[in-house]
Amino acid sequence: DSGVTQTPKHLITATGQRVTLRCSPRSGDLSVYWYQQSLDQGLQFLIQYYNGEERAKGNILERFSAQQFPDLHSELNLSSLELGDSALYFCASSEGWGLEETQYFGPGTRLLVL
Amino acid sequence: GESVGLHLPTLSVQEGDNSIINCAYSNSASDYFIWYKQESGKGPQFIIDIRSNMDKRQGQRVTVLLNKTVKHLSLQIAATQPGDSAVYFCAENNRGSRLTFGEGTQLTVNP
Repeated sequence: DSGVTQTPKHLITATGQRVTLRCSPRSGDLSVYWYQQSLDQGLQFLIQYYNGEERAKGNILERFSAQQFPDLHSELNLSSLELGDSALYFCASSEGWGLEETQYFGPGTRLLVL
Repeated sequence: GESVGLHLPTLSVQEGDNSIINCAYSNSASDYFIWYKQESGKGPQFIIDIRSNMDKRQGQRVTVLLNKTVKHLSLQIAATQPGDSAVYFCAENNRGSRLTFGEGTQLTVNP
């Protein structure tokens, strides 16, 4: 158990809908990262927050957004969902935001868009 | 472009043998490399890391080797056990925080 929690574990929804994925980092960690894992794209970095502020952005679609709240939990919002958005979404956390910060991953949320 | 990729998608070994999982990276500016293990239905689990100023680093039953000349990274697992069966990913970090993952190698340990 990494100490990172994600909810829900599974999510089934329809195209065009909007969902919110939630992540609680390890106690004491200030950075939260979101990754998408799909069969054709592998594990891809989406976005990072540090202590409530966006720090880095990867291949995140405009339909997707995220935020980190004062209690350090984070939410990833996916809107206007398409079939291709079906994937595993992982949250990771680290103590800081530097180069050698070990990122600890949560169990993921499996999203299925029908 | 920048990429981290694995040579072999699958690796099958006998229990007790040593395993070697390879990874090639293309960005010579990469500073930091990490190996993760992902078991079915779980998130990636940190195994071991290595900085670009090192050639070798050892952990418990695992060793990571870095060859900067040919931009190659390997993970050696000693006395492989059934519990080692998983997908192994190498990842690089050269932009401060984001990780770029390779494709992954499925390791299967046969009893």
